[in-house]
Amino acid sequence: IAGITQAPTSQILAAGRRMTLRCTQDMRHNAMYWYRQDLGLGLRLIHYSNTAGTTGKGEVPDGYSVSRANTDDFPLTLASAVPSQTSVYFCASRGQGDNSPLHFGNGTRLTVT
Amino acid sequence: GQNIDQPTEMTATEGAIVQINCTYQTSGFNGLFWYQQHAGEAPTFLSYNVLDGLEEKGRFSSFLSRSKGYSYLLLKELQMKDSASYLCAAMDSNYQLIWGAGTKLIIKP
Repeated sequence: IAGITQAPTSQILAAGRRMTLRCTQDMRHNAMYWYRQDLGLGLRLIHYSNTAGTTGKGEVPDGYSVSRANTDDFPLTLASAVPSQTSVYFCASRGQGDNSPLHFGNGTRLTVT
Repeated sequence: GQNIDQPTEMTATEGAIVQINCTYQTSGFNGLFWYQQHAGEAPTFLSYNVLDGLEEKGRFSSFLSRSKGYSYLLLKELQMKDSASYLCAAMDSNYQLIWGAGTKLIIKP
């Protein structure tokens, strides 16, 4: 089934630890995104990639890094986790065309203690 | 600055009609999206409007007025499964989405 796969589904992480959230899509979409969703705040863009080999900073990039070595994979890394990074993280991709919607993965629920 | 406003929570009765409003201010405009998100799940696409007017899709319709920076999502014949959060997102001149905080819709029998 075509779509976006995120792993892990959930994780409890000690502050200061390094963590990589994985995201893979099989729709051959060029654009991919990482969002965090916190209660009462709407989705906030962390990083994005318009095509393989390029990345850009979103609204809340500090403390996070991404890479886009190929079309399918877009991992998000927390170099040294802090409690304020406790959130639900969604990876998304988008096809060509202005009216193309975002397709979301099922999310990763991360708790930093 | 860029901003999206929508009500935090609404309550409606099964079988009724509800309208969820969204106002937006963006640098440029390339369309408005509505998404549905059930608790604990990912958002799923409902509609896209870029021209003024009403787009109907089954029980759901979406309206846009570009001159007023205003959109609404209309849900008819409400069912219990429509209980969810509804997210409004406007696309700016750089084709980035600006998201509202979402409207939690509670359906009562």
